[in-house]
Amino acid sequence: DTEVTQTPKHLVMGMTNKKSLKCEQHMGHRAMYWYKQKAKKPPELMFVYSYEKLSINESVPSRFSPECPNSSLLNLHLHALQPEDSALYLCASSQVGTGRDNGYTFGSGTRLTVV
Amino acid sequence: KQEVTQIPAALSVPEGENLVLNCSFTDSAIYNLQWFRQDPGKGLTSLLLIQSSQREQTSGRLNASLDKSSGRSTLYIAASQPGDSATYLCAVSSTDKLIFGTGTRLQVFP
Repeated sequence: DTEVTQTPKHLVMGMTNKKSLKCEQHMGHRAMYWYKQKAKKPPELMFVYSYEKLSINESVPSRFSPECPNSSLLNLHLHALQPEDSALYLCASSQVGTGRDNGYTFGSGTRLTVV
Repeated sequence: KQEVTQIPAALSVPEGENLVLNCSFTDSAIYNLQWFRQDPGKGLTSLLLIQSSQREQTSGRLNASLDKSSGRSTLYIAASQPGDSATYLCAVSSTDKLIFGTGTRLQVFP
C-alpha cells in the first residue's frame, strides 16, 4: 500500500460547527504532516508529527487542533472556523521527518468550505 | 529562511514541444528535491525525487536535474501532450520541512 488516504473528500461546515479531517497511511512512515492550500497558491505547512509527537506547529490558530492517535493515523479537529479557512487541506507522510529516503507522499486532499 | 521560486509562472504550448521548467532555492543545505504534479482541485502526485548527492533522475518523458551548489533544478518534459496540462511544483526538503515553490501552470493544447 503506497497511498495516503484522506476523508472526507469534501466538507461544508458552519462557523459554529465542530468537524474532523482524517488521514491514514500504511506505509510504515513515522512522520505525518498537514498542509493548507489556497487557490492558485503552493501548499503551506501547518503541523508536523514525528514518531507520533507534535514536532512543528507553524503558528496555526488554536481553532485547528491536530491529533496523532497512532503511527498510521492523523486527525485535524476543526472548531469555530472562519470563511477564510476555506481551502484544500492536504495530508502527507514520509519515512522520517526529513523525507530523506523516499520523499513525501501526499493524499488527495479534503476540500473544506466554511459558510 | 528557505525560499523556492519557479519560472515561468505559466506556460501554454502546442503539443509535441519539449519543455523546461525551472526551480531555484536560496539555501543549498537540502536533503532532496521533489517534483510534483497537481491537477485542479486534486492532491499532489510525486513525479521525481532527487537526493542531494544526485545530479539527475529520469522517469519516462521526464528528466529532472539538480545543481545544489547554485540552488537550481530543472524539469525537462519531452514531447509534451495535452494530458501533461497541470500545475508543476518543486519542493525542497530541509530539517523537518518540505518547502514548496510557487508553481508553474502548464497548458498543452492539441
